[in-house]
Parts: sequence; C-alpha cells; structure tokens
Amino acid sequence: DTEVTQTPKHLVMGMTNKKSLKCEQHMGHRAMYWYKQKAKKPPELMFVYSYEKLSINESVPSRFSPECPNSSLLNLHLHALQPEDSALYLCASSQEGGAITGELFFGEGSRLTVL
Amino acid sequence: SQQGEEDPQALSIQEGENATMNCSYKTSINNLQWYRQNSGRGLVHLILIRSNEREKHSGRLRVTLDTSKKSSSLLITASRAADTASYFCAGLSGGYNKLIFGAGTRLAVHP
Repeated sequence: DTEVTQTPKHLVMGMTNKKSLKCEQHMGHRAMYWYKQKAKKPPELMFVYSYEKLSINESVPSRFSPECPNSSLLNLHLHALQPEDSALYLCASSQEGGAITGELFFGEGSRLTVL
Repeated sequence: SQQGEEDPQALSIQEGENATMNCSYKTSINNLQWYRQNSGRGLVHLILIRSNEREKHSGRLRVTLDTSKKSSSLLITASRAADTASYFCAGLSGGYNKLIFGAGTRLAVHP
C-alpha cells in the first residue's frame, strides 16, 4: 500500500466548476510533486514544492493552482478546466534530497474527467 | 519534454522468459531511476542507479547504465504474469527535483 494518499480517487466536473484534489503524506518528506498522466503516456511534471515553497512550475495554465498548506499536505485547485485536462493526476513525495538522492513515492492518483 | 526514450514501446512474452527494456536519454544525469505502473495505478519505484555505477541488481531486476551512450537497460529475469505493467525510466533534467519520465514500455507476460 502506498503511503501517499490522494483524494478523491475519481472526480467528474463541468468546465465551470471549482474543485480540489488533495494529497497527504506522513513520511516526513519535504518535497512534494504533482504529475499529470494521459492514457498510455508517461507522467508529465506539473509542480514541485520544496519545504512548502513552490520551486518548479512547468508552465502549467493558471486554471491549475497548487497549494502546500503544510509539510504533509498538497492540494491542486481546479477551475474552468477544459475537456483535454481529463487525466490521471498523480501526487508524489520524496525525502529532503529530492529526486537527486532517492526515489519518489507516488499516490494512486485522482482520475479526473472534465465534461 | 521527456528525459528518456524507451525501447520497445510494447513487449509481449511468455512466463519464465526474460524481458529487456532499454532507455536512452538526452542530457547528463545524476541518477537514473526505473518505475513500474500497473494499469491506472500509481507508480512504484523499482531501482535507482547513480551516474558512477554501471550495473545494479535487485531480486530479479538487473539495471545497467552506460553514460557514454546515455542509455540504460532494465532486465527482468524469469518473468511472471504479475510483472505485467508499464515500466518507465526517469532522470533528473535541469533541476534538483525535476524528475522527467521516458515514454515507457508496456510489458505483457502471458501465463
């Protein structure tokens, strides 16, 4: 079982809705990540938080808004999404050294469908 | 952009056979990692090989790294039906925590 918990597992939303994806880890990791994955494609990096500060934004549209309220939680706020944003959204965390020294621990993902 | 390109894109074998997947990357790396993903699930870390290592083993997994050719391979020996999954290589690209994934190989192991 993964130690990174993502909720909800499935989300269906309209293009005018506002929703949030949540991610939680209790491993003491100080780096947290959001990836987006389309079917039969690799995960694409969206955001990285290091010590609760946004350190990487891969030019993600502003309709995706990340938030890291504390070292254990990571949110992804969604607003005015497009159908092409439908995908599996994966959260991950890693130790202080980040990906340079060790592995990323992934959650099971939130399957998002935008109608 | 992808850090690694995997070869083959899909691989179908019988139980007991070995499976070899290759990964080529474009930029210099500090380490290269391999992950496994069952259909529609999260990714699970398999093994990490550092740039100063040439080969690493973990159970039925063997990973090699050739930094001169910018390539890595993952060998799964004596495959099982439960090994059916997608396998991705991943490397750091231009940033401390910027882990970028290759296209992946979809492995199907038939009983």
